[in-house]
Amino acid sequence: ETGVTQTPRHLVMGMTNKKSLKCEQHLGHNAMYWYKQSAKKPLELMFVYNFKEQTENNSVPSRFSPECPNSSHLFLHLHTLQPEDSALYLCASSVMNDIWDHTGELFFGEGSRLTVL
Amino acid sequence: LAKTTQPISMDSYEGQEVNITCSHNNIATNDYITWYQQFPSQGPRFIIQGYKTKVTNEVASLFIPADRKSSTLSLPRVSLSDTAVYYCLVGPNNNDMRFGAGTRLTVKP
Repeated sequence: ETGVTQTPRHLVMGMTNKKSLKCEQHLGHNAMYWYKQSAKKPLELMFVYNFKEQTENNSVPSRFSPECPNSSHLFLHLHTLQPEDSALYLCASSVMNDIWDHTGELFFGEGSRLTVL
Repeated sequence: LAKTTQPISMDSYEGQEVNITCSHNNIATNDYITWYQQFPSQGPRFIIQGYKTKVTNEVASLFIPADRKSSTLSLPRVSLSDTAVYYCLVGPNNNDMRFGAGTRLTVKP
């Protein structure tokens, strides 16, 4: 138990569906992240939120839409996905005093396994 | 962003000490070195972080030479449950740290 909870753990959706992944942390952290892990590929950083503000968007297609309503919750809204978007989506959180804070150990959730048919 | 190079895989036996070396030739002055462990279908878990010389915690040790162009994660007396992928990351903060392919460690009985 890392203190970061992701739901659902498994999701199957069609290419025309709209769904959302949810992440919640009870660690008092102020930075939250979305990562994507495809089969046999390194983890890819998708989005970063520091103090609820999005500070990083690594050229992620617009069919992925993040939302951070408060420092404890992070969503990833999904629409018109492609089969190649099937992957394990991981949420993480950390403490970040400022943009240059190096001490932020990342705490990961167990991930949401997404399958796009 | 500093690029890291690690062996793709390593094998060991229970009770042995395992050393995994990571190369980061273009590490910057304000970069830290961080190691994570990942089991299948789980998120990575922080192991250790350091800047220079040696860092030790209850799980592992991290050795960093003076030029900081490489680092070695040392796992004492591994067990079967240490079978996992180990990632070396280099960067000044989490926004700029990128996971590579990692090292797949297999511990055999």
